[in-house]
Amino acid sequence: KNEVEQSPQNLTAQEGEFITINCSYSVGISALHWLQQHPGGGIVSLFMLSSGKKKHGRLIATINIQEKHSSLHITASHPRDSAVYICAVRGQGGSEKLVFGKGTKLTVNP
Amino acid sequence: NAGVTQTPKFQVLKTGQSMTLQCAQDMNHEYMSWYRQDPGMGLRLIHYSVGAGITDQGEVPNGYNVSRSTTEDFPLRLLSAAPSQTSVYFCASSLLQGLSPLHFGNGTRLTVT
Repeated sequence: KNEVEQSPQNLTAQEGEFITINCSYSVGISALHWLQQHPGGGIVSLFMLSSGKKKHGRLIATINIQEKHSSLHITASHPRDSAVYICAVRGQGGSEKLVFGKGTKLTVNP
Repeated sequence: NAGVTQTPKFQVLKTGQSMTLQCAQDMNHEYMSWYRQDPGMGLRLIHYSVGAGITDQGEVPNGYNVSRSTTEDFPLRLLSAAPSQTSVYFCASSLLQGLSPLHFGNGTRLTVT
């Protein structure tokens, strides 16, 4: 069974800081997802990736398949980035169900 | 496009009562799934479907039933509610299981007393 670990569990930053959230998993995957859960509870998909790097605005997601590790970076953080960030992985060959990490709660102070 | 519509938003049940959480999507997605989210735990898969007429169990299926008679709808039934089912429930859909972006409903906060 794939285990997904996120770090840190909680992160507090000042506005403008560069943020990194990490996700590690235990077995091979076919895709990794980064999700954002707003304080009101809604969940939106930020990225889906299986290799390399993706960028959307101030958000960058990277994945290292060999090291079984992904990072989500936020540049020039803003209080509206405050949310829970969730990593989820899709296994391979017979293990296609998504397994979710417990999330990283980010608070960005003005 | 409404995306994924999940109802109700809030529900309080007494132990032993039954209810159905509704989930509908208008994106012609084949894959639909139900999750529960509890404090300190990640999202956990209850049931999922890879197409109309096909459903399967996830990680925590006990106490829940699903059916998928159409591509659009994927209701979740609680047959006899228990306090352990107090949770926030999310429905999600995607074009392909795990290989395309997930679209989530707004969630249902269920309390069983």
